[in-house]
Amino acid sequence: EVQLVQSGAEVKKPGESLKISCRGSGYSFTKYWIAWVRQMPGKGLEWMGIIYPGDSDTRYSPSFQGQVTITADKSINTAYLQWGGLKTSDTAMYYCARLGSGSYSLLYYFDSWGQGTLVTVSS
Amino acid sequence: EIVMTQSPATLSVSPGERATLSCRASQSVTNYLAWYQQKPGQAPRLLIYDASNRATGIPARFSGSGSGTDFTLTISSLQSEDFALYYCQHYNKWPNTFGQGTKLEIK
Repeated sequence: EVQLVQSGAEVKKPGESLKISCRGSGYSFTKYWIAWVRQMPGKGLEWMGIIYPGDSDTRYSPSFQGQVTITADKSINTAYLQWGGLKTSDTAMYYCARLGSGSYSLLYYFDSWGQGTLVTVSS
Repeated sequence: EIVMTQSPATLSVSPGERATLSCRASQSVTNYLAWYQQKPGQAPRLLIYDASNRATGIPARFSGSGSGTDFTLTISSLQSEDFALYYCQHYNKWPNTFGQGTKLEIK
């Protein structure tokens, strides 16, 4: 069974750094793109960026380029989303999702989602 | 990037009735269109891919149609568990953008 398990909720202050994780299991982690998707309170889904764990090829949405860093450690089947300096506007639920192509193609749908990590940034 | 527009923003339907949700792309996405359902407090889950194919485990009351720029998700007889948020997403050309969502609520 394909599973994406994310790290737990975080409460941080503005300016602090943060790294959240998404561990994949039940499939060949290196062969599927993993995306990060933001959902602000009461709002829709916004994809932030995506990484191919096999070679760490990473693409960012223009809205998030320079604001976050996406990495992966294929030795432990885990993808990461990190911030260098959080803002109150980063308060949101963050999901990781697997692109179901099983290849290098980005033209596919998300077939599996993590449970979400709630990040709250408040002074 | 391709802009996906969903309508209506909120749809009020009675249990047992049919619901029709729309999604329009700013340019053709052929049939590379997915629908996701998100229930309160849960992650999204895949319902439909390639515009009309149900994902594994999705009940037959969910159906998708359309091609090019206009797509429809139909729920034939609404059950209580179907009241949720629904998002469309294209994957014809990177980036694979989402629509803004339709909230399906009980009338």
